[in-house]
Amino acid sequence: KAGVTQTPRYLIKTRGQQVTLSCSPISGHRSVSWYQQTPGQGLQFLFEYFSETQRNKGNFPGRFSGRQFSNSRSEMNVSTLELGDSALYLCASSTDLSSYEQYFGPGTRLTVT
Amino acid sequence: AQKITQTQPGMFVQEKEAVTLDCTYDTSDPSYGLFWYKQPSSGEMIFLIYQGSYDQQNATEGRYSLNFQKARKSANLVISASQLGDSAMYFCAMGPSGGSYIPTFGRGTSLIVHP
Repeated sequence: KAGVTQTPRYLIKTRGQQVTLSCSPISGHRSVSWYQQTPGQGLQFLFEYFSETQRNKGNFPGRFSGRQFSNSRSEMNVSTLELGDSALYLCASSTDLSSYEQYFGPGTRLTVT
Repeated sequence: AQKITQTQPGMFVQEKEAVTLDCTYDTSDPSYGLFWYKQPSSGEMIFLIYQGSYDQQNATEGRYSLNFQKARKSANLVISASQLGDSAMYFCAMGPSGGSYIPTFGRGTSLIVHP
């Protein structure tokens, strides 16, 4: 079974731009969660989508948004990029909502200049 | 609010020896779960083990065991018979068992296994 895939793997953007990251979960998984990982703040939960609806949300500004499609694929969007948004963005999928056992993708490394 | 503390930024262990990675937590939730993830240099997080706050026995998954001491609010990960492939960052995390699931992660411990 194919694992979680994330595209693109690397991205360089300029302050003020917006960016969209994509995540394809493991086949059959209906939940997709997004995380931000930085050296300063560590690993932080962004949000979780299940059945195309955002079910849980971490403490991030509204510039961070996401959506999930009927095939469970998910996208995350960050608008008006700031230097502090430079991070590794990890996507994880699981069979159920709010599951501790999640399967992570390799991440998208976003650099904002 | 939940908080996870991992006080060991780095640990070294000899191959085939056991190692304990410390984790303490704080929460006001009456019911919660504790879990550990491994992050090799490749970046992908790998789920290792889970312990529910009401579980009577410590969780075990192969060479991994979780030493859960509720009164001390600790959830240490024990890796037996360390292997070179165990070299990685290890994250302790927690979340409520129900309701809004917003997992909280510790800052991680870097484990290096020497041959």
